[in-house]
Order: sequence, then structure tokens, then C-alpha cells
Amino acid sequence: KTQVEQSPQSLVVRQGENCVLQCNYSVTPDNHLRWFKQDTGKGLVSLTVLVHENDKTSNGRYSATLDKDAKHSTLHITATLLDDTATYICVVGDRGSALGRLHFGAGTQLIVIP
Amino acid sequence: DMKVTQMPRYLIKRMGENVLLECGQDMSHETMYWYRQDPGLGLQLIYISYDVDSNSEGDIPKGYRVSRKKREHFSLILDSAKTNQTSVYFCASSLRAGAYAEQFFGPGTRLTVL
Repeated sequence: KTQVEQSPQSLVVRQGENCVLQCNYSVTPDNHLRWFKQDTGKGLVSLTVLVHENDKTSNGRYSATLDKDAKHSTLHITATLLDDTATYICVVGDRGSALGRLHFGAGTQLIVIP
Repeated sequence: DMKVTQMPRYLIKRMGENVLLECGQDMSHETMYWYRQDPGLGLQLIYISYDVDSNSEGDIPKGYRVSRKKREHFSLILDSAKTNQTSVYFCASSLRAGAYAEQFFGPGTRLTVL
């Protein structure tokens, strides 16, 4: 059963618009949540990591929130650029795993058009 | 420039042929990982290596084996490839294993098994 669900599956926005990506998870016990950006044909690049209850992070035009009680995170991208076109992947760490196992969402494909 | 490299980037093989995927990292990381990424699914862990000759199965090890003879190199081997092993394979590394260890990803190898 998928333990990390992302929505929407895909999203098209115009350059300059803001967008919000959602991540819901059921991983228990969870420790941290990380958002990655994956450009087409490339590897995953970390954008931000959230660790604590009600954490909020900011990395330039990217900002993220985490609600551990609701097991929910959002990634906000403001003033989108064409280079933001990519797949954004939510990843949750499994605190109960000796391997430090990560649970990956399937990603949200964001397309930014002129 | 710290990075994870993968060779080859693209590979086409026939069913039953052997496949060798190579991964290297220049960060002296102890832990390395092999994942596969399929459409609509999150990355799935195939194998994890804690250090030289210290490897453990991940979630989907069947049909794969690994080799780590030097800390900076981690190989994934498919003996007698199957068509359902067509996928994009990612290698990652982290300083150590554990729940909070940040993983750095290579660019991926796209394998097609005909």
C-alpha cells in the first residue's frame, strides 16, 4: 500500500503564478519529510527538509510546511519560472526502520508555460 | 564538486543478457543505495550498502545482486535480465546510514530490456 500520496498528479501554471503541491502520508513512526526536485532525465535534488511538528521552511521561492498530527505537508512555489518545470517528490523518513528507510511519493509533475 | 555518477546513462539489452550498472561517489560516503523508478510509482529500494562488502537487501532485491569492493563504487548486477526489469535505476549515497541521513542521487540509468 502506498504510504506517501501526492496531489495533484500533474499541474500546469503560467510563468509568474504561484502553486501549491500537497503530500499526505501514513508512515508511522515518521521522523522527517523532504521535498526533492527532479528535472526530466535527471536525479533528485533536495529542496528542503522538515523535521519538527509544525515546521516551516523557506528556500528562495520554495517554502514548505509540515503538520505531523495530520501527516500532511505542502510545498509552495511563488512566482514560478520556466525552469521550475519538473517533478516534485515528497519523501518521508521511517523512524522505525533500522535501515533509515525512506518512503517516496510518485511525484507531482509541474509544467510552467510562458 | 561533490557528486554521484552513474554509467552508462542509457542501456538496451535483450532478455537473458547480463547487465552491469556502475555508480561512483567522490564524497567518501559510507552508505550507498540502488533504487528503481517506474511510472506512477515512488522510488523503490533494491539494495543498501553500509560499506565495503556490507550489503543488505531492500524492498525488491529479487533478480538483482550488488557488489561493493571500494567505498567509492557500488555496482548493480542483473544476471539474465527480464523485461520487467526495464526501468530507470538510481544510485544514491549518504555520509552514514540512518533515519536522518541526507541522500545524494545520481542522474539515473535508463535500462530497456527487450
